[in-house]
Amino acid sequence: GENVEQHPSTLSVQEGDSAVIKCTYSDSASNYFPWYKQELGKGPQLIIDIRSNVGEKKDQRIAVTLNKTAKHFSLHITETQPEDSAVYFCAASGDNDMRFGAGTRLTVKP
Amino acid sequence: KAGVTQTPRYLIKTRGQQVTLSCSPISGHRSVSWYQQTPGQGLQFLFEYFSETQRNKGNFPGRFSGRQFSNSRSEMNVSTLELGDSALYLCASSGGPYYEQYFGPGTRLTVT
Repeated sequence: GENVEQHPSTLSVQEGDSAVIKCTYSDSASNYFPWYKQELGKGPQLIIDIRSNVGEKKDQRIAVTLNKTAKHFSLHITETQPEDSAVYFCAASGDNDMRFGAGTRLTVKP
Repeated sequence: KAGVTQTPRYLIKTRGQQVTLSCSPISGHRSVSWYQQTPGQGLQFLFEYFSETQRNKGNFPGRFSGRQFSNSRSEMNVSTLELGDSALYLCASSGGPYYEQYFGPGTRLTVT
């Protein structure tokens, strides 16, 4: 089955800096890669996703890149704000089976 | 559209008891997946139901079971509760072509 590894496990940045979270996956059949943000006491919220036929996708301050050959994808957050502080999860999905990374706790210091 | 709802939000049970959690998916979504989230193990897939049939199952013991009704609402049941079952149980509904999953707020289960 799919195995998703996520790094780093914790990340602390200064407000205004960029943050990058990286994930690798093992199943070459995976074709859908979402990112979730989870705030304290809430369920994970889908913030951006990318399909395997796309190399990069951007939504305001958030971007995701995908390298299918190397089987890795990354989340980029620019101009970070304190409200970006949360736990971020990557996931990889193939045939009706979604596997999640272990999560990255992002702290943005004002 | 209303989001995914889960009830109850919090639950305290005693070891050996059983518990039933409920999930109502986004209107029109036919797939419901359940996950267990703990600090040590992260998000672990329990099972997925689609049109009242279990389509996928994770690596959990038989004490964990689920079902889905004709209106797509789903329940999961945990029998003979153990202390290690204390976790946040998340339900996610899916209805899009690329399997986008939308999570509910979760049910926090504490087993004492």
